[in-house]
Amino acid sequence: QLVESGGGLVQPGGSLKLSCAASGATVSDSTIHWVRQASGKGLEWVGQIRSNTNSYATAYAESVKGRFTISRDDSKNTAFLQMNSLKTEDTAVYYCTRLPYGDYGGGWFDPWGQGTLVTVSS
Amino acid sequence: EIVLTQSPGTLSLSPGERATLSCRASQSISSNYLAWYQRKPGQAPRIVMYGISSRATGIPDRFSGSGSGTDFTLTISRLEPEDFAVYYCQQYDTAPLTFGGGTKVEIK
Repeated sequence: QLVESGGGLVQPGGSLKLSCAASGATVSDSTIHWVRQASGKGLEWVGQIRSNTNSYATAYAESVKGRFTISRDDSKNTAFLQMNSLKTEDTAVYYCTRLPYGDYGGGWFDPWGQGTLVTVSS
Repeated sequence: EIVLTQSPGTLSLSPGERATLSCRASQSISSNYLAWYQRKPGQAPRIVMYGISSRATGIPDRFSGSGSGTDFTLTISRLEPEDFAVYYCQQYDTAPLTFGGGTKVEIK
C-alpha cells in the first residue's frame, strides 16, 4: 500500500514537499513514479526514481524538469516529491505508484496511492 | 513523445453489453508495452491489463486486450455494474511515459 501526504494550498512561486509512504512490503527494490491529474484532465507522468542498485537515477517530464525533485529514503520505505517554483498549472492530484516487478525504470504501475491534492493559487 | 488518443470519449452501455475501447498511438509501440487502467470516482487507478493482453491479478476474464503497432483495444465482453468507470491506456515503450485521455464507460 502506498499513502501520499503533504498536499495543500500554496501560492504561485512557492514550494511543497510530498511524501509517499509504503506499507506492507518494501519498495526499496522498485522504481517509484509520480503521476498527476488535474481536474477534468487525463493522467500525466511527472517523474521517477530508481533504486539504489541503479544509483537512485531520476527522470522527469519536461513540464516539471528543473523545478521538481524526486528522492527516496529506503530506511523509511518512503519517497518524496519536492516541488519548487510552483505554477497554477501544477494544480492537480498527485499520485505515487511503483513498478510491481522491480527496478526497470519505465513500466506499468501497481499499486497506486489514493493521491494528495496540490492547489497552486494566490 | 508518443501521444495516445482514446475513443470514444464516452461509451453509454447497459449491463450485459459489450464494450470496445480504442487507444491509438501517434507512433508504433514496438515492444508490447501498453497497459490499461480502470479509475472509479474517489479511487486510485487500478491496473487492468499490461503487455497489451495480460490481465492483471484479480481482473476477470471478461476483460481482454488486443492490438499491435499503433492500434489497441480493450474489450469488456459483458459489462457488470462494477465495470462502469473511466479507462486509461498507457504506453511504457518510449520515454516519457504517456497516458491516453480516457474513455468513460457509463450506464445507459
